[in-house]
Amino acid sequence: GQSLEQPSEVTAVEGAIVQINCTYQTSGFYGLSWYQQHDGGAPTFLSYNALDGLEETGRFSSFLSRSDSYGYLLLQELQMKDSASYFCAVSLDQTGANNLFFGTGTRLTVIP
Amino acid sequence: EAGVAQSPRYKIIEKRQSVAFWCNPISGHATLYWYQQILGQGPKLLIQFQNNGVVDDSQLPKDRFSAERLKGVDSTLKIQPAKLEDSAVYLCASSLVDSSYEQYFGPGTRLTVT
Repeated sequence: GQSLEQPSEVTAVEGAIVQINCTYQTSGFYGLSWYQQHDGGAPTFLSYNALDGLEETGRFSSFLSRSDSYGYLLLQELQMKDSASYFCAVSLDQTGANNLFFGTGTRLTVIP
Repeated sequence: EAGVAQSPRYKIIEKRQSVAFWCNPISGHATLYWYQQILGQGPKLLIQFQNNGVVDDSQLPKDRFSAERLKGVDSTLKIQPAKLEDSAVYLCASSLVDSSYEQYFGPGTRLTVT
């Protein structure tokens, strides 16, 4: 079976930095993606890591360690609009069924 | 660039009735996905198409769910007959063939089965 573990809820202060962790146990692994979903909205793509290391995109960074089956999403200079659910998702294979297996999500609440 | 379109946005039906959802992906995206998202959970893949062929439907409850993408563009997902546990948001997504990790989602259809 496949499993991804994320904290269910995180609360952080506006302007601060928050890290959302994701550990995975899957039958296949090609890469780790992160998606953001506001209440009532559609998931939107944030980042993707296929190789070990840190990928930076503006205020958001994502990290992957394949040897530890672990990744995280780092959000800097938090803004109120960052309050949303964040999902890590594993790409199970490169070819054929390239489907994403999603975690259960971390609900981030940013407080003033 | 137009995003993924879905309709209807909301649907309320009684159990044992049938329902259909429609999706039009981003132009040029050969791969189309249907997901089911139950409240408080992550999206769960139901079926994946590449052009008009099925790539993966291993998690589609085929006794009641069906989907098609006849011309390799838009797609429909049908449930017949619906059960109470089918209440969820049904999300359609599309991607380029070689960028399946970056999927573009539509607004979803919120289905309530009473």
